[in-house]
Amino acid sequence: LAKTTQPISMDSYEGQEVNITCSHNNIATNDYITWYQQFPSQGPRFIIQGYKTKVTNEVASLFIPADRKSSTLSLPRVSLSDTAVYYCLVGLLNTNAGKSTFGDGTTLTVKP
Amino acid sequence: EPEVTQTPSHQVTQMGQEVILRCVPISNHLYFYWYRQILGQKVEFLVSFYNNEISEKSEIFDDQFSVERPDGSNFTLKIRSTKLEDSAMYFCASTPRGQINQPQHFGDGTRLSIL
Repeated sequence: LAKTTQPISMDSYEGQEVNITCSHNNIATNDYITWYQQFPSQGPRFIIQGYKTKVTNEVASLFIPADRKSSTLSLPRVSLSDTAVYYCLVGLLNTNAGKSTFGDGTTLTVKP
Repeated sequence: EPEVTQTPSHQVTQMGQEVILRCVPISNHLYFYWYRQILGQKVEFLVSFYNNEISEKSEIFDDQFSVERPDGSNFTLKIRSTKLEDSAMYFCASTPRGQINQPQHFGDGTRLSIL
C-alpha cells in the first residue's frame, strides 16, 4: 500500500502562496501522485496529478523531486474559498484504487 | 462539465433494513467505485467495478455489501442488513478507460444514517 504522510493542518492568509508537502517514501515505479480537495459534505475534487518534475494547471502547481519520495502542492494566492481538506494519493487510481488510500489529509484554513 | 450524481442526498434507515444507494456515473466512463467516509474520518475505498464485475474490494466490503450496474446508466450499492456502524457518507466515483492514471470524478455523496 502506498502510504502518504501530510501535515494535519495549515493556516494561511488571503493572497498568500500555500505549499503542502506530502511524503511517500515507498512510491512504486508506475505510481502517479494525485491531489484532491474536499469541502465539508462534498465529494473529493481532483486538483492536479503528476509523475515527475513539475506540473501546472489553472489552479495549482505540483512539484516532484527526482527521487519522487515527496511532492509539494502549491496554491498561488489563496482565498477564503480555498479553506478545505487536501489529500495526496499515490498509485494507479483507476486500476488499483484500493491500493491508493486517502490519508488524513491536510486541513487548510485561510484567514482574512 | 459532466458530473457524477448520487441519490438520495440523505437516507435514514432502521438498523437491519436493506438500503440501496444510487449513482449515475459520467456517461462515457467505464470504471466505477464506491467509497465511504465516517464522520470526521478518512475516505475509505470500498469497491471498484469494471466490465460488469468487481475488480477490487476492501476488507470493509463484506457479504453485506453488493454492487450492480442494472442498466447503462446507474451504479448501485446495496447494504443488505444495515448496522449502526454503516452510518457514513457514501461517495460514488467514476473514471474513463483511457490512460491508467486517470483520476476519479466523485459525486457529492449520500449521507446514510442508521437508527
